[in-house]
Amino acid sequence: DVKVTQSSRYLVKRTGEKVFLECVQDMDHENMFWYRQDPGLGLRLIYFSYDVKMKEKGDIPEGYSVSREKKERFSLILESASTNQTSMYLCASNTEGSNRPQHFGDGTRLSIL
Amino acid sequence: GESVGLHLPTLSVQEGDNSIINCAYSNSASDYFIWYKQESGKGPQFIIDIRSNMDKRQGQRVTVLLNKTVKHLSLQIAATQPGDSAVYFCAENGDTGNQFYFGTGTSLTVIP
Repeated sequence: DVKVTQSSRYLVKRTGEKVFLECVQDMDHENMFWYRQDPGLGLRLIYFSYDVKMKEKGDIPEGYSVSREKKERFSLILESASTNQTSMYLCASNTEGSNRPQHFGDGTRLSIL
Repeated sequence: GESVGLHLPTLSVQEGDNSIINCAYSNSASDYFIWYKQESGKGPQFIIDIRSNMDKRQGQRVTVLLNKTVKHLSLQIAATQPGDSAVYFCAENGDTGNQFYFGTGTSLTVIP
């Protein structure tokens, strides 16, 4: 089975802090994704990566950056956390090619105080 | 069915009954669709997928129906069990093939 692991289930940070969310997948997937999930809005794509050291902006990249130094690891960075970034963050991965389902981690619930 | 907004559509069914969850997708160029199940405190879990060259696909206790004419997708769960209680949402691949667009979900509650 595909395993996508997010390093923290719950995280509480303060406004202005730099926050790192980590995601690791064990299936050698080329593609990795970061979403945020908010009530009534569904999943919104923040950033994605098709390969090591490659990144593409999603629909809501403002206030975020990402890092993919190794194939299995995709990090989401909040450069200066703000309260409107309080959310559930979900990491996903899938294999190269179209029509491949994304597999998700269990999410990190981030609260910015 | 799913919709954009602040309120999550809900569906309550008796244990043992069949459930039907609907999804209206937006992009006529989408050719691949997925249903996910998300239990409380967990990430979305893949249930079943369907490509646009099919109208119907069956899995274990689940069936997905695709109507491309009206851009409608449905998930049927047979003999619904308490463990089926979760939020279900659909995803479409839009124009890109590998990026997905997700519905807001329907909350299914199974009454014992």
